[in-house]
Amino acid sequence: NAGVTQTPKFRILKIGQSMTLQCAQDMNHNYMYWYRQDPGMGLKLIYYSVGAGITDKGEVPNGYNVSRSTTEDFPLRLELAAPSQTSVYFCASIWKETQYFGPGTRLLVL
Amino acid sequence: KQEVTQIPAALSVPEGENLVLNCSFTDSAIYNLQWFRQDPGKGLTSLLLIQSSQREQTSGRLNASLDKSSGRSTLYIAASQPGDSATYLCAGRNYGQNFVFGPGTRLSVLP
Repeated sequence: NAGVTQTPKFRILKIGQSMTLQCAQDMNHNYMYWYRQDPGMGLKLIYYSVGAGITDKGEVPNGYNVSRSTTEDFPLRLELAAPSQTSVYFCASIWKETQYFGPGTRLLVL
Repeated sequence: KQEVTQIPAALSVPEGENLVLNCSFTDSAIYNLQWFRQDPGKGLTSLLLIQSSQREQTSGRLNASLDKSSGRSTLYIAASQPGDSATYLCAGRNYGQNFVFGPGTRLSVLP
């Protein structure tokens, strides 16, 4: 199993640009999460999904959107990038309360 | 709302020493607590998960405890090694709610 995969690993965006962060898992987990991690801070929940077709906002959803058309994929969309969205983004899935994380996407907005 | 803190933010110890990392939470109705390891530039790796009905969990040189009444969890690392150097994060979850993460403790084990 590849586990949780994320692409790209690193991206530089200009203010106002849009992009999609990809996340996929091959473990057939229903629950998936998107977090952001800022330097010296814990992870903040952006959006989560309890299964295909079902998504909900987390603690910091503004400026982001998600979709969940399949169990495997959970992409995160940034519509109008802002410097405040410079961060490291982690996708995770859960099985029996244990979280499995992807390697992260480092995003720089200039 | 559950809040999770970890003190100290950073810790350096000589190789071979036993050490304890601390995690504090505000809501004693915690459902479970998970400890993670994060290496620089990498994702998080789950180390131990403690359910609210348990008091501790062990894996190799690691032992995690949970005391709901005091709002504390500790991660004990025995006979530390340079390879243990990483950031350790804890995350608590109340029933029906999402995980809340602490900011982490950055551990350096010196040869």
